[in-house]
Amino acid sequence: AQKVTQAQTEISVVEKEDVTLDCVYETRDTTYYLFWYKQPPSGELVFLIRRNSFDEQNEISGRYSWNFQKSTSSFNFTITASQVVDSAVYFCALPSGGSYIPTFGRGTSLIVHP
Amino acid sequence: DVKVTQSSRYLVKRTGEKVFLECVQDMDHENMFWYRQDPGLGLRLIYFSYDVKMKEKGDIPEGYSVSREKKERFSLILESASTNQTSMYLCASSYRPLGQPQHFGDGTRLSIL
Repeated sequence: AQKVTQAQTEISVVEKEDVTLDCVYETRDTTYYLFWYKQPPSGELVFLIRRNSFDEQNEISGRYSWNFQKSTSSFNFTITASQVVDSAVYFCALPSGGSYIPTFGRGTSLIVHP
Repeated sequence: DVKVTQSSRYLVKRTGEKVFLECVQDMDHENMFWYRQDPGLGLRLIYFSYDVKMKEKGDIPEGYSVSREKKERFSLILESASTNQTSMYLCASSYRPLGQPQHFGDGTRLSIL
């Protein structure tokens, strides 16, 4: 069975701090995808990134970066120089092999104070 | 840009009423999903549809039904609303190939009094 653990329920930082959101997963699949989504206070989940299990290269997109390590079954998300607009709930997700249905973590609420 | 539109942002209904939540997507996605989101419980899948008239139960289908008569529209029905169905409801859609990201609507905050 798939499992996604986001152990950090809530993180509070001050603007310009760097912050890392952890995601640890369990799967028996040899091929899989991992996702991160952002849910701002407005409510709509927004897709941020997809990572294929074959590709362990780190990904960087502006202030956002993702560190995928199969050896530790982790797919962590780092925001550099956080801003108030980064305040949101962030979800990590893992679809089951052969299924369209993702398993979501419980989410991490990030609060960035000015 | 993909657009997933949910018919209402806020809805207040009474216990025992039949409630319809509508979701429309404009990207010709094959898959559509209904979730409910509650504090501390994350997102829980209610129903999933991979094609017109096809549906599969998710983790918490009790008290709900769905309808997909057209590819772009996926309706969630609360047959007889109860107070424990007060929640945020999120609709999502995606392309059929495995590993495709989901696109979400803004959500409907439903209160059952």
